Amino acid sequence: NAGVMQNPRHLVRRRGQEARLRCSPMKGHSHVYWYRQLPEEGLKFMVYLQKENIIDESGMPKERFSAEFPKEGPSILRIQQVVRGDSAAYFCASSPSGIAPYEQYFGPGTRLTVT
Amino acid sequence: AQSVTQLGSHVSVSEGALVLLRCNYSSSVPPYLFWYVQYPNQGLQLLLKYTSAATLVKGINGFEAEFKKSETSFHLTKPSAHMSDAAEYFCAVSDQRSGNQFYFGTGTSLTVIP
Repeated sequence: NAGVMQNPRHLVRRRGQEARLRCSPMKGHSHVYWYRQLPEEGLKFMVYLQKENIIDESGMPKERFSAEFPKEGPSILRIQQVVRGDSAAYFCASSPSGIAPYEQYFGPGTRLTVT
Repeated sequence: AQSVTQLGSHVSVSEGALVLLRCNYSSSVPPYLFWYVQYPNQGLQLLLKYTSAATLVKGINGFEAEFKKSETSFHLTKPSAHMSDAAEYFCAVSDQRSGNQFYFGTGTSLTVIP
């Protein structure tokens, strides 16, 4: 049973370019979460999605960031016009249920570097 | 709002010594508490979780944690450190209200000295 998969593992973008991060949840999981980890900090919640729905995006920056989880295919976190401050590790997690309590299963992360 | 404080961003122990990583939480409703471990350039792996059953929770790799409501703490311990325990450890909290959001501490980096 494959775990949560994220690609790419490392992504380098120049300022102003777009970054697309992909996340495939564990088999049977329909709840996806994105977190951002800045250097020397813990993970900060960004967004929670179910298939075709954004449930909670209270942690998403108001501009340039968007997320989707289509009926088919992986969840995508999209960052437009990247800036140096977007450099971070972005982690995706999935869970089988949206009803607490439950643990979230994390992917290996995508490390974004903006030059 | 929920929050997590991990005292000590860096902890060093000798191989074979007791490991104690501290976590205090803030939550206005009964919390769910988790410890995750992160090895370099990898994702987070669940060590153990507290979800209102037994207050002493046993996890993988010999780790355990005790939920103490009066102290709002959920400290992680292991009787004897192994070199392979060197990693970053994160405490996280959620609850029935925030359920979808996990609030993470800033992490504790554990070094094991041979």
